[in-house]
Amino acid sequence: GAGVSQSPRYKVAKRGQDVALRCDPISGHVSLFWYQQALGQGPEFLTYFQNEAQLDKSGLPSDRFFAERPEGSVSTLKIQRTQQEDSAVYLCASSPGEISDTQYFGPGTRLTVL
Amino acid sequence: GDSVTQMEGPVTLSEEAFLTINCTYTATGYPSLFWYVQYPGEGLQLLLKATKADDKGSNKGFEATYRKETTSFHLEKGSVQVSDSAVYFCALSDQAGGGADGLTFGKGTHLIIQP
Repeated sequence: GAGVSQSPRYKVAKRGQDVALRCDPISGHVSLFWYQQALGQGPEFLTYFQNEAQLDKSGLPSDRFFAERPEGSVSTLKIQRTQQEDSAVYLCASSPGEISDTQYFGPGTRLTVL
Repeated sequence: GDSVTQMEGPVTLSEEAFLTINCTYTATGYPSLFWYVQYPGEGLQLLLKATKADDKGSNKGFEATYRKETTSFHLEKGSVQVSDSAVYFCALSDQAGGGADGLTFGKGTHLIIQP
């Protein structure tokens, strides 16, 4: 079956622009996570949704980062007024139910801010 | 806070060699532990996991045992193949212990297997 998909796969933005990154989780998966992976580092947790409820946003680095999942399926991560330090790969993962379930990762969106 | 420390890479081995990638962790509660693998050009995928002390996770010839006394989850394989070349990430989930709801990852270990 279809896995987690993300779009766009690559995004180049000028500093100060707003960007929106999309995640399509595996159909029926309750939990959805966003991570940020800087070059040469492991992924770092940003935020977690259970259905449409954002239960944890403790990892969002600033108020320029905003995520939503309005119908409990597709999610969008929005970054306002992008900065060079936002350059990273943004990963989305979903899991069928509980947080401790196996997470299935998408291919990521590579964001480059010039 | 929670953290994961894994050995620096790259690790270069010859085919059929024995592999160990060390991983230690710090957590408030009793975390679940994972190894994820990222093959070239592909996304992260779960390799194996263990949810309580003394559990052994295994998959594709890889094994790791959850050692609470040494807070470790070292990854081992008896005979590596060229196709095992990838980046390996150790991770934990400590939501039950009051940690963040996502996984905490190590920095990753790049494994290179030479024929």
